[in-house]
Amino acid sequence: QVQLVQSGAEVKKPGASVKVSCKVSGYTLTELSMHWVRQAPGKGLEWMGGFDPEDGETIYAQKFQGRVTMTEDTSTDTAYMELSSLRSEDTAVYYCAPRWGGSYQFDYWGQGTLVTVSS
Amino acid sequence: QSALTQPRSVSGSPGQSVTISCTGTSSDVGGYNYVSWYQQHPGKAPKLMIYDVSKRPSGVPDRFSGSKSGNTASLTISGLQAEDEADYYCCSYAGSYMVFGGGTKLTVL
Repeated sequence: QVQLVQSGAEVKKPGASVKVSCKVSGYTLTELSMHWVRQAPGKGLEWMGGFDPEDGETIYAQKFQGRVTMTEDTSTDTAYMELSSLRSEDTAVYYCAPRWGGSYQFDYWGQGTLVTVSS
Repeated sequence: QSALTQPRSVSGSPGQSVTISCTGTSSDVGGYNYVSWYQQHPGKAPKLMIYDVSKRPSGVPDRFSGSKSGNTASLTISGLQAEDEADYYCCSYAGSYMVFGGGTKLTVL
């Protein structure tokens, strides 16, 4: 069983960047395709992007193109999501959620990281 | 990459059945048999309930079932129980992308 432990809550000013981490245990990061999903307060789930094993590259939702970067450190089995040029609308809980190589669903989710953007 | 369309709310009494629809396009729901459903209680992370349109992960009660017709997927919950009250989200593979529905609040009366 995979366990996903995310970094703690963050408070950032508009225009700043935030980097959220997701530590994987029970599996290695190379066995997974990590994705990130966010949820603004009182709103629905929004897919931000993730690794597509069929293309062998990380795919980002159009909405976040140019502002988001998803990376991985396989030596520590930790995935990262960095979002730049933050604005108040980016206030949300950010979740990491992996897909297994041949699957198209999110079996497990991190506990979520609240990012608050406020001046 | 538009969100899938779900009703904002549905309700039912204990023991009854409810169905939540999820409408997309031929580029997502209609184009792949990779629709999944998630249950989310307040303040909690989402939980996978259905994947590949109609498959249930281990541990999910068989009261939960999924289906698809054309560009619309559905989640049916039979024998409603109080603990089923939650938000439900559909999600579809869309060719390298993933797209979620807007979510449906299920109220157990």
